[in-house]
Amino acid sequence: DTAVSQTPKYLVTQMGNDKSIKCEQNLGHDTMYWYKQDSKKFLKIMFSYNNKELIINETVPNRFSPKSPDKAHLNLHINSLELGDSAVYFCASSPGLTGTDTQYFGPGTRLTVL
Amino acid sequence: AQSVTQLDSQVPVFEEAPVELRCNYSSSVSVYLFWYVQYPNQGLQLLLKYLSGSTLVKGINGFEAEFNKSQTSFHLRKPSVHISDTAEYFCAVTNTGGFKTIFGAGTRLFVKA
Repeated sequence: DTAVSQTPKYLVTQMGNDKSIKCEQNLGHDTMYWYKQDSKKFLKIMFSYNNKELIINETVPNRFSPKSPDKAHLNLHINSLELGDSAVYFCASSPGLTGTDTQYFGPGTRLTVL
Repeated sequence: AQSVTQLDSQVPVFEEAPVELRCNYSSSVSVYLFWYVQYPNQGLQLLLKYLSGSTLVKGINGFEAEFNKSQTSFHLRKPSVHISDTAEYFCAVTNTGGFKTIFGAGTRLFVKA
């Protein structure tokens, strides 16, 4: 069974469109994250939710809106896509909200904005 | 705020040779340290982590890392690499008492036959 899954795996779209990426974890974890990995492999946190509550919101444009309908799901909606949004987006989860926790990553969603 | 510097962006090495991937961190408080590996077209997975206690930490796939508080370093080592170790390696740090993990820029390990 896949621990952290994301859909879709690939997403190619035009500038200005709106798209969503879905994430689900079956590990029973309380905390979930979205990361953006750019073309140079640099990994930057975007958002984190703990028990459906937003706890980390980095300086991300408000075109990006996370939604956590329950502890097992954290979706990412992006409005008015721009060329600079092209990246690989990773969802991750961890048991709790402590600095000692291991994060478990999904396989990533490669977003290409044309 | 904490930060992580991975000193080498790429490390080419021959199969069965030893390797060291360097990581330095900066923080005003105590930290927890992690190494994650990302194989091609996959998500990251934990190799090992240092929380407290012995400064030498052993992880999966024969990797180990040593925490050096005075040098603020957490270098990753393996005595003999395999072709299958070719991947991107990320050092990461979290402040004790915090929960936000900061990742380094990654080091690409390329193992040649």
